[in-house]
Amino acid sequence: NAGVTQTPKFRVLKTGQSMTLLCAQDMNHEYMYWYRQDPGMGLRLIHYSVGEGTTAKGEVPDGYNVSRLKKQNFLLGLESAAPSQTSVYFCASRVRVNTEAFFGQGTRLTVV
Amino acid sequence: GQQVMQIPQYQHVQEGEDFTTYCNSSTTLSNIQWYKQRPGGHPVFLIQLVKSGEVKKQKRLTFQFGEAKKNSSLHITATQTTDVGTYFCAVRSNDYKLSFGAGTTVTVRA
Repeated sequence: NAGVTQTPKFRVLKTGQSMTLLCAQDMNHEYMYWYRQDPGMGLRLIHYSVGEGTTAKGEVPDGYNVSRLKKQNFLLGLESAAPSQTSVYFCASRVRVNTEAFFGQGTRLTVV
Repeated sequence: GQQVMQIPQYQHVQEGEDFTTYCNSSTTLSNIQWYKQRPGGHPVFLIQLVKSGEVKKQKRLTFQFGEAKKNSSLHITATQTTDVGTYFCAVRSNDYKLSFGAGTTVTVRA
């Protein structure tokens, strides 16, 4: 059981480039979340999904898009990266609301 | 924005001392969760509190949910170097969102 796996672990982008972060979970969880973590800001929710084919905006969705075509995968896209998107990104999943969330190892993204 | 305020933001503790970190909300919470993130790591679930006034212990960690279900605390006794990290509280802000506080970052002086 791998749990929650994020790909890639590190990435450097130039301003204006695009990329997709992949989150994969093998626990058959319904709910999946994308967060960004910046110093002193805690974990801020970008987008989330309550099941296959569904997505919803979190607290800081601007500049990001997501898709959940398969239950086990939740993709986070940056269409035109900006330096303000330099951050550590975490994916999390949980089986249902009010249960513990399991986190991936994180993706450290730098936009130059 | 974030649904809960955590204080203090930073906690510098002498090894062996006790400390407490707090999580406060302006609204009544259905439940609250606590997570720990070690330096360079990812958040890991510690506990969930559901009932008014609930107290749960995990070895040297004591978690409490306020009577009004608007605040929670984490108290660590006899702090050790293994307690270093950032402690987050997390709440359900609508049916499905899971929102985190800004965290309390703990450093320990040996």
